[in-house]
Amino acid sequence: DTAVSQTPKYLVTQMGNDKSIKCEQNLGHDTMYWYKQDSKKFLKIMFSYNNKELIINETVPNRFSPKSPDKAHLNLHINSLELGDSAVYFCASSQVEGNSPLHFGNGTRLTVT
Amino acid sequence: GESVGLHLPTLSVQEGDNSIINCAYSNSASDYFIWYKQESGKGPQFIIDIRSNMDKRQGQRVTVLLNKTVKHLSLQIAATQPGDSAVYFCAENSPAGGTSYGKLTFGQGTILTVHP
Repeated sequence: DTAVSQTPKYLVTQMGNDKSIKCEQNLGHDTMYWYKQDSKKFLKIMFSYNNKELIINETVPNRFSPKSPDKAHLNLHINSLELGDSAVYFCASSQVEGNSPLHFGNGTRLTVT
Repeated sequence: GESVGLHLPTLSVQEGDNSIINCAYSNSASDYFIWYKQESGKGPQFIIDIRSNMDKRQGQRVTVLLNKTVKHLSLQIAATQPGDSAVYFCAENSPAGGTSYGKLTFGQGTILTVHP
């Protein structure tokens, strides 16, 4: 069973569109995250949620809106997509915020044309 | 050998050799450190972690060393195998300002290539 699963794995879309990436974890963790990995493999945190409450919101454009319907799900909605949004987006979860390892999904490769 | 340039640092070793991957972290307040392995097309996979009250921790074929004086972290892989070829990231947990929660910040990554 996949511990952290995100869909879709690949997403190709045009500039200006709105898209969503879904994430689910079956580990019973309280904290979930979204990370962005650029073309140089640099991983940067975007958001973290603890038990559906937003904890970390890095300097991410307002076009990105995370939504956590319950503590097992953290979806990422992106409005008005831009070319610079092209990247691999990783969802992750952890048992305890800040003091336990993150478990990552296998990523969603977003390509904006 | 190891080189740093415009691209990710790379380390090439022969199968059976020991590998050492280094990482400099930035925040002296960081209290928890993790090494991750990322294979092509996959998410980062946890390898080993260490808390700031320790300077060494061993796992299966891997050892992490922490030098807080110089803010340096290293990952040693014994008897490196072709399956160890991947990008390796160090990550530090530092307090997120104004909250009791931490924030995991990743280093640049090192490409390890193991030749049979």
